[in-house]
Amino acid sequence: RKEVEQDPGPFNVPEGATVAFNCTYSNSASQSFFWYRQDCRKEPKLLMSVYSSGNEDGRFTAQLNRASQYISLLIRDSKLSDSATYLCVVLSGGSYIPTFGRGTSLIVHP
Amino acid sequence: DVKVTQSSRYLVKRTGEKVFLECVQDMDHENMFWYRQDPGLGLRLIYFSYDVKMKEKGDIPEGYSVSREKKERFSLILESASTNQTSMYLCASSPALLAGNLYEQYFGPGTRLTVT
Repeated sequence: RKEVEQDPGPFNVPEGATVAFNCTYSNSASQSFFWYRQDCRKEPKLLMSVYSSGNEDGRFTAQLNRASQYISLLIRDSKLSDSATYLCVVLSGGSYIPTFGRGTSLIVHP
Repeated sequence: DVKVTQSSRYLVKRTGEKVFLECVQDMDHENMFWYRQDPGLGLRLIYFSYDVKMKEKGDIPEGYSVSREKKERFSLILESASTNQTSMYLCASSPALLAGNLYEQYFGPGTRLTVT
């Protein structure tokens, strides 16, 4: 069983829609959580870290639920430029080797 | 601006050839990583290095070796390329672990390797 699991999608949404992705992790010792974004034929880049209390960055909101071992990413008012693959990344305490999910594909259409 | 560069964006090699993929970072990072990315399989760690001359196997090291003679440079070597090593290869670097969520991996643009 993969340590970090994501629904691969694709999620196909119209501009302006709100869309949410979940990611579950199996290692209860996981300490740090992140969302990366990967555009087609490009490298992954950090989108945002996920803090215990939840955090927001513009149209993006990240949440962490330690009890159920999942993190989520909510995108409000989707833009065409949000089309990408979103990678869930988990880091266990004391480790510098992150575990990547396989990614969730988002397609925002006009 | 942080920078991770890879020696080639596209590479075509023949089966049995020795292949060198070079990665250079200019951020003075301690950690460097080599991944391959294939459709449906996501990012898979091949090798990583946490210091000069130090290396550790990742999840799929078979058929690969690495070299880190200088802090800024991490090389991936395919001793005898095979068709199943056709893939996108991504190099990344990161600082030593910091407190809390102050951790980020920076990726190079990738090398798309085709082995024929």
